[in-house]
Amino acid sequence: RKEVEQDPGPFNVPEGATVAFNCTYSNSASQSFFWYRQDCRKEPKLLMSVYSSGNEDGRFTAQLNRASQYISLLIRDSKLSDSATYLCVVPLRDGYALNFGKGTSLLVTP
Amino acid sequence: EPEVTQTPSHQVTQMGQEVILRCVPISNHLYFYWYRQILGQKVEFLVSFYNNEISEKSEIFDDQFSVERPDGSNFTLKIRSTKLEDSAMYFCASSEGRRVDQPQHFGDGTRLSIL
Repeated sequence: RKEVEQDPGPFNVPEGATVAFNCTYSNSASQSFFWYRQDCRKEPKLLMSVYSSGNEDGRFTAQLNRASQYISLLIRDSKLSDSATYLCVVPLRDGYALNFGKGTSLLVTP
Repeated sequence: EPEVTQTPSHQVTQMGQEVILRCVPISNHLYFYWYRQILGQKVEFLVSFYNNEISEKSEIFDDQFSVERPDGSNFTLKIRSTKLEDSAMYFCASSEGRRVDQPQHFGDGTRLSIL
């Protein structure tokens, strides 16, 4: 299994829609997880940290299923400005360096 | 909000030349990182640095690469003899610590183009 695997998309959704992204990871010892957002040719920006069973921040909800080694990100009431690539990030096996998934592309349309 | 700054934003270099990429981490952060992203590919870890020494490095970070913190603010990545495949976006990141509530913050990157 790849260390961090994501559906690449693209996901094309209308404004106001709810969209969910999934991510699976191979390191069963990982304790913390992150969702970053990356706009085209820009730096990754932290969206949410995920630990324990999940986390919620406004329209964004992240859930963690340790048994299945699976993380999800739910975006409610999508805005045009949510259009970006969403990166699932898990610390590397041997330390705290980050292992990035390839990202899931989201396009929110009017 | 404090941020990580990187210079230059774009560097064009002839193959075989040395290049130095510069980063100023957030001032109270203690852990520093370099990542790269080849166009169309995922972000890849290169090296982490703490207490004036390398704490982890990836297979990508071979003898052609080195890092340094020459003064109290700058953190540099040097590529000794650049290759075409070194063309990528290079991101510097820093964090206050290693707890989950101390995430890594990224600079806006240096685009390195090797000709």
